[in-house]
Amino acid sequence: DVKVTQSSRYLVKRTGEKVFLECVQDMDHENMFWYRQDPGLGLRLIYFSYDVKMKEKGDIPEGYSVSREKKERFSLILESASTNQTSMYLCASSPTSGGANEQYFGPGTRLTVT
Amino acid sequence: QKEVEQNSGPLSVPEGAIASLNCTYSDRGSQSFFWYRQYSGKSPELIMSIYSNGDKEDGRFTAQLNKASQYVSLLIRDSQPSDSATYLCAVPPRAGAGNMLTFGGGTRLMVKP
Repeated sequence: DVKVTQSSRYLVKRTGEKVFLECVQDMDHENMFWYRQDPGLGLRLIYFSYDVKMKEKGDIPEGYSVSREKKERFSLILESASTNQTSMYLCASSPTSGGANEQYFGPGTRLTVT
Repeated sequence: QKEVEQNSGPLSVPEGAIASLNCTYSDRGSQSFFWYRQYSGKSPELIMSIYSNGDKEDGRFTAQLNKASQYVSLLIRDSQPSDSATYLCAVPPRAGAGNMLTFGGGTRLMVKP
């Protein structure tokens, strides 16, 4: 079974703090994704990576950065957390073979910024 | 038009009935279609994928794809209270989008005992 893990289930941070969210997958997938999910707005793509050290902006990259130094690990960084970044953050991974493939999600991190 | 559209619901069905969930998409070139189930407070879980026109069955779940009409459906037979969740449809956003998926807003299903 594909396993995607995230470093924290719940996180509370203060405005202005630098926040690191870690994601690790154990299936040797090339592609990894960071989403946030908010009521009424659905899943929105923040960043994705299709290879080590490669990254692409998604729909809402402002205020975020990412790092992928190893194939299995994809980190999301909030450089200076703000209250409007309070959300559920979901990491996903998928293999590469032809067209789009199914994505497998981690358990999510519910981040609260106060 | 949104790339992937779903009725937000809630869709309420009695236990044992068939639940029918629908999704329309805008890109005629889409080749891959996925259904996810998301329980409240949890992350999405993949339950079905379909790539060809017609039906694909897996246990109590049947995915139906009609590329000409640009819709994909999920049928849940013999619905159980444990099926109560939000169901998300996912489709590649456009040709050449690589491995990205666009998710619909989800349909909330309630199965009443």
